[in-house]
Amino acid sequence: EAGVAQSPRYKIIEKRQSVAFWCNPISGHATLYWYQQILGQGPKLLIQFQNNGVVDDSQLPKDRFSAERLKGVDSTLKIQPAKLEDSAVYLCASGTGLRNTIYFGEGSWLTVV
Amino acid sequence: QKEVEQDPGPLSVPEGAIVSLNCTYSNSAFQYFMWYRQYSRKGPELLMYTYSSGNKEDGRFTAQVDKSSKYISLFIRDSQPSDSATYLCAMSLTSGTYKYIFGTGTRLKVLA
Repeated sequence: EAGVAQSPRYKIIEKRQSVAFWCNPISGHATLYWYQQILGQGPKLLIQFQNNGVVDDSQLPKDRFSAERLKGVDSTLKIQPAKLEDSAVYLCASGTGLRNTIYFGEGSWLTVV
Repeated sequence: QKEVEQDPGPLSVPEGAIVSLNCTYSNSAFQYFMWYRQYSRKGPELLMYTYSSGNKEDGRFTAQVDKSSKYISLFIRDSQPSDSATYLCAMSLTSGTYKYIFGTGTRLKVLA
């Protein structure tokens, strides 16, 4: 079974530029999450989708971050404009709801200079 | 006070040692408890999953949950250099929303 796919793996941008990350969850997984993990910290939930609807986006900085999940499968997370403090790993995860467990992709590493 | 507290380490142990990793939490509503292992430059990988209180064993790994003390532990027996990684605890409030709260992670180094 294929895992959660993310791209790009690494991205370096200048502050005030924009960036987009893509995620393809495990086939059949209805729930999709985007987490932000700053170096030395645990993952922090940015947004959670159930199919193509948003369940929780309370910690998403909506003035600069946006996310969508069209057709309830792939998802895109966008940052515009980026700030230095956005340098982090952006982790996508998916889950079925069974056993209440989620599975992560390899992450997209963002450096803002 | 953070919802989930975890000592960041680093924790260095000799090969073959028993490792104890711990998390405390403040929200008594947490019902689901997970441990993830994260290697450098990789995404977190699910290690153990426990519902409510009790113990669960899987090979060299044992997860314990003490809800009365709001304390969870992961034990690694016969630790190997390949166990060197960051270990993250995670907790979920309800099965409806599956909102996961993570600890900061403990960096473990097993010395050969």
